[in-house]
Amino acid sequence: DGGITQSPKYLFRKEGQNVTLSCEQNLNHDAMYWYRQDPGQGLRLIYYSQIVNDFQKGDIAEGYSVSREKKESFPLTVTSAQKNPTAFYLCASSIEAARMRYNEQFFGPGTRLTVL
Amino acid sequence: AQKITQTQPGMFVQEKEAVTLDCTYDTSDPSYGLFWYKQPSSGEMIFLIYQGSYDQQNATEGRYSLNFQKARKSANLVISASQLGDSAMYFCAMRDGNQGGKLIFGQGTELSVKP
Repeated sequence: DGGITQSPKYLFRKEGQNVTLSCEQNLNHDAMYWYRQDPGQGLRLIYYSQIVNDFQKGDIAEGYSVSREKKESFPLTVTSAQKNPTAFYLCASSIEAARMRYNEQFFGPGTRLTVL
Repeated sequence: AQKITQTQPGMFVQEKEAVTLDCTYDTSDPSYGLFWYKQPSSGEMIFLIYQGSYDQQNATEGRYSLNFQKARKSANLVISASQLGDSAMYFCAMRDGNQGGKLIFGQGTELSVKP
């Protein structure tokens, strides 16, 4: 089945540790996105990538890093510089980033990160 | 700046009745897209319906329809014949053409369907 997978589903991090969240898609989509969701809030964009080996900062990129070495994969690293990383992280993809008209974003199941 | 506003933090509806979830938006772009997503307690985001700014007719998808009033900048979601499984968070979102097509989300509305 085509879709987006994220792992792990739950992740616990100690203060000062870096952790990497996995996002893989087999939809052959060009664009991939990382969003953060805090309790009772909407989603906010962390990073996005429109093509392999290229990515751009979103609205809340500080304390995060990404890579896009393969079309299918867009891992997110939460670094120790992120002061309040406890949140729900959602990865999404779409066929083509630049189109203004209908271009649905498909979401993965999410990773819930908790800092101990 | 583009913005989505959902003013109803929580809504209740009786099973089998219709419910309207409000969404207003702000943008200076003439071409834009509006989306509604459902988020059940499990967390995944499920796409429900899309409305393009140049679409002549209001979008419909099964029990979901979008009441699009361009002059008022509103894109309300109407769910007909509510079911218990409709209980979830509902997010209105707008596509931003300036940042790689990211979605700008509202705060969400929590819908509870009563039996």
